[in-house]
Amino acid sequence: DSGVTQTPKHLITATGQRVTLRCSPRSGDLSVYWYQQSLDQGLQFLIQYYNGEERAKGNILERFSAQQFPDLHSELNLSSLELGDSALYFCASSTTGQGAPLHFGNGTRLTVT
Amino acid sequence: AQTVTQSQPEMSVQEAETVTLSCTYDTSESDYYLFWYKQPPSRQMILVIRQEAYKQQNATENRFSVNFQKAAKSFSLKISDSQLGDAAMYFCAYRVPNYGGSQGNLIFGKGTKLSVKP
Repeated sequence: DSGVTQTPKHLITATGQRVTLRCSPRSGDLSVYWYQQSLDQGLQFLIQYYNGEERAKGNILERFSAQQFPDLHSELNLSSLELGDSALYFCASSTTGQGAPLHFGNGTRLTVT
Repeated sequence: AQTVTQSQPEMSVQEAETVTLSCTYDTSESDYYLFWYKQPPSRQMILVIRQEAYKQQNATENRFSVNFQKAAKSFSLKISDSQLGDAAMYFCAYRVPNYGGSQGNLIFGKGTKLSVKP
């Protein structure tokens, strides 16, 4: 168990809809990262938050947004969903130690029909 | 921009044998970290091993070891005494250096699917 909790595990929704994915980082971790993994693909970095502030952006679509709350949990909002958004979305967290590894949650499997 | 390349989409190894997975990366930084993650069919992302670029000594974790060649920007993973449970997708990752008190994100290669034959 990595200590990173993601909910829900599975999500099925229709095109055009909006969903929210939730992540609780490991206790004490200030950094949260979101990644997207499409079928048989590697992990694409979406966005990073550190102690409530956005720190880095990757290949995140304008239809997607995220935030990190004062209690350090994070939410990824996906709107105007398209079939191509179907993927496994991972949240990860880390400490601020140099070279600290990222610890990943079990992911949320999103299916857009 | 930093990139990570895994040139072997699939590899196969006989149980109890040794296999090496390749990874190369590109960066202009001198201090950074490299990782190997394992993703079994359950789709969890599991940390296998970590290497600090300023350390010449290759990292080892039980049956897993790396061959880190900084000048060549190469970071291969060796799995000894392969077990059925080692079957998974393996991802090489480069960690963007730390700026402003937060840790940079990981940049992943596309992965190598390892099969272990009994």
